[in-house]
Amino acid sequence: DAGVIQSPRHEVTEMGQEVTLRCKPISGHNSLFWYRQTMMRGLELLIYFNNNVPIDDSGMPEDRFSAKMPNASFSTLKIQPSEPRDSAVYFCASSRNRRDTQYFGPGTRLTVL
Amino acid sequence: AQTVTQSQPEMSVQEAETVTLSCTYDTSESDYYLFWYKQPPSRQMILVIRQEAYKQQNATENRFSVNFQKAAKSFSLKISDSQLGDAAMYFCAYHTGTASKLTFGTGTRLQVTL
Repeated sequence: DAGVIQSPRHEVTEMGQEVTLRCKPISGHNSLFWYRQTMMRGLELLIYFNNNVPIDDSGMPEDRFSAKMPNASFSTLKIQPSEPRDSAVYFCASSRNRRDTQYFGPGTRLTVL
Repeated sequence: AQTVTQSQPEMSVQEAETVTLSCTYDTSESDYYLFWYKQPPSRQMILVIRQEAYKQQNATENRFSVNFQKAAKSFSLKISDSQLGDAAMYFCAYHTGTASKLTFGTGTRLQVTL
């Protein structure tokens, strides 16, 4: 069974550009999470969805960040406009339900110049 | 605030030996789940072991086991017969039954030497 799939694996962009990160959760999983990992702040939750509905977006840094889950098999995290401080590794994770173990994708390393 | 503390930034162990990584957490909830994740240089987050707070028995997965002390809010990870492939960052994390957000510790970097 395929794990969580994320694309791209690496993204280098210039300040001010729009960035879109993509995630395909494990089939049958109802909960999807976006985390960000930086040296300064460690791993922190940005947003999570349950049955395609955003439940907790309190970790989204500001209006430049938005996330969508149009169906059970796809989610996007968009940053517009991007800034150098957005440089980080972004992880998507999914779980069968809210109480179950979260399985992580390989992450997207974003560099904003 | 809910927090997870890993007081050992770095640990080292010889191959085939045993090492214990420490973790304490703070929550007022009674329903919660504890995890250890491993992050090798590839940066993939890999589940090592999971413990439900309502279970008194300590979880084990092959060479990995935990010492779960609920009253002390302690959740340490023991790695037996350490192997070179165990070298990685190890993160302790938990989430409550009502909030699925994982709260992570700052990690312990484990080195395995010959």
